[in-house]
Amino acid sequence: DIQLTQSPSFLSASVGDRVTITCRASQGISRYLAWYQQKPGKAPKVLIYAASTLEGGVPSRFSGSGSGTEFTLTISSLQPEDFATYYCQQFNDYPYTFGQGTKLEIK
Amino acid sequence: QAQLVQSGAEVKKPGASVKVSCKASGYSFTDYYIHWVRQAPGQGLEWMGRINPHNGGANSAQKFQGRVTMTRDTSITTAYMEVSSLRSDDTALYFCARENLSGGERTYHWFDPWGQGTLVTVSS
Repeated sequence: DIQLTQSPSFLSASVGDRVTITCRASQGISRYLAWYQQKPGKAPKVLIYAASTLEGGVPSRFSGSGSGTEFTLTISSLQPEDFATYYCQQFNDYPYTFGQGTKLEIK
Repeated sequence: QAQLVQSGAEVKKPGASVKVSCKASGYSFTDYYIHWVRQAPGQGLEWMGRINPHNGGANSAQKFQGRVTMTRDTSITTAYMEVSSLRSDDTALYFCARENLSGGERTYHWFDPWGQGTLVTVSS
């Protein structure tokens, strides 16, 4: 199975900060990666697919980059509604594994 | 718009089975795979398996093989997942999700929409 490792697992930041989350794959996955945001008790919401394509309706402060084994999700200027948990997911091969998550908290 | 609506919360005893439903609307049910993902309390997301609603073909993660059965009823655009021999560590929020595919030179994938989740509690 392809392992995805996110760093950091916890991130404390303030409104207006720029933050970056990294997702590393145990083997090359081209650009077959999506990012999700999840709030407590809710279903995940897709932000980005194909490593860098912004899903419709997602604010432009979110961006993704990377290919192969290293990927990043960047939020350019944190807003109050962005405090949540973020997951990456690979679609290179079954099983479609997720990273362990990054919890973004208010400083 | 596309929507997935899941069945309600369940409480089961160890060793029992549970069947969760996922009702699709707003799109052609047989054109998109449905996946199942679970989330134990305070934990991350775990992919369980997927079904092709067109032909009923399914595959699951190795750890669930033999214990998870995925089916569908195209007449009512509903997918099902049954988990048997429940254990306490099966207590989780279970989600269904539709797999989307992009067009173009390469086909990229993502999950959207998701169902609202079904809480399954396994307790004696």
